[in-house]
Order: sequence, then structure tokens, then C-alpha cells
Amino acid sequence: DVKVTQSSRYLVKRTGEKVFLECVQDMDHENMFWYRQDPGLGLRLIYFSYDVKMKEKGDIPEGYSVSREKKERFSLILESASTNQTSMYLCASTLRQAGGFYNEQFFGPGTRLTVL
Amino acid sequence: KNQVEQSPQSLIILEGKNCTLQCNYTVSPFSNLRWYKQDTGRGPVSLTIMTFSENTKSNGRYTATLDADTKQSSLHITASQLSDSASYICVVSGHNAGKSTFGDGTTLTVKP
Repeated sequence: DVKVTQSSRYLVKRTGEKVFLECVQDMDHENMFWYRQDPGLGLRLIYFSYDVKMKEKGDIPEGYSVSREKKERFSLILESASTNQTSMYLCASTLRQAGGFYNEQFFGPGTRLTVL
Repeated sequence: KNQVEQSPQSLIILEGKNCTLQCNYTVSPFSNLRWYKQDTGRGPVSLTIMTFSENTKSNGRYTATLDADTKQSSLHITASQLSDSASYICVVSGHNAGKSTFGDGTTLTVKP
């Protein structure tokens, strides 16, 4: 059974703290993603990675960075957390596309981050 | 700009009734369209995935349709159950693995 796990389900941090969110997948997927989900805004892509040590900015990368040192692990870093980063963070992974078709994303359970 | 619009925004139905959720998109080029179910406080779980050559796909009581010409999709839920209460998200992808466009979702509430 495919599985994407995230390090915490709930996290409370203070403004200015450095925050690490970790995601691990056991499916040997090449691509991994970080999204945030806010009411009325849907899922928005922060960063994604298509290989170890590779990363690309998504739609809203400001205030975030990522790290992918191993294929199965993709970390999201908030260098200095702010209250507007309070959100639900979702990690996902997919196989590398071949032929440009099926690229079903498997999601983790999410981390609800609150920044006070 | 690629967009995915879902309607209605929210829906309340009685247990046992059927319902249909809509998804219109302007994503181009088109690779596939997926419907996800997201329970409150959880990550999305895939229900169906369709390419442009597929018109209908079923997963139990869930049936998705796709009209690639009009760029419309629907998700039909038959004989609804209380556990169907969730947000249903339509996602459309092109050929770039990193660029999927998400709809805002339809929140379905099934009441006894």
C-alpha cells in the first residue's frame, strides 16, 4: 500500500521561529511536492522536486525553502515563520511521467501549522 | 491562465440521494483530470483519473465523466452515505509533472 507520511499532524510555532516540515514516501517516486491549503483558495503549489537535490518554485515560494537530500524525503523550511503562514500543508508524490500521461499524486495526511 | 472552476461551492443532500458535482477547466495542453475526496483534516485521496480519450470512469458509487471538447467533467455520487461528507476536488494536469491546476472544491454534506 502506497504511503506518504508527514512528520507532524499539528504544529504550533511562534513568529520568527524556523520551522521544518518533513515528508517521506515509500513508493520510490521521483517527484515530490509541497502545497498549502487555505479556505477559499484551494491547494497552491509552494515547491516541487523532480529528483534528488533538484527543486523548482511553484506558485507561492516566497518565505519558504526546500531540501531534497534523499529520494524518499522532501523537507519544507520556513526560515522565519509569520502568522500569514498559518495553514494546512500537504505533501504529495508521483512517479516521473513517461509519455506525458498518468501522473496521479499521492498525498500525505497534512500538517496543520499555526503560527502565533 | 489555466483555471479549474467547480460548482456548486457547497451542497447539502439527504442520505440515499444522488448528486452531481461539476468541473469546468481551461487547462491546455491537457493530460489528465482527477477527482479527489478530502475528508476534514486529511489529505486528498484519489477517486478517479481520466485521460482525454476516456469519457466515463467509475469507482464504486462514484462515476466521473469527461467531455474533452467542452472541457467539462462531472462527478456523480449514487445512493449517498454519511461518509460521503467531504470536499471533492477536481485537478487538471498538463504534461508537466509539476503543474497541476486545482479547483477550490465542492463541500458535500450528507444528512441523515
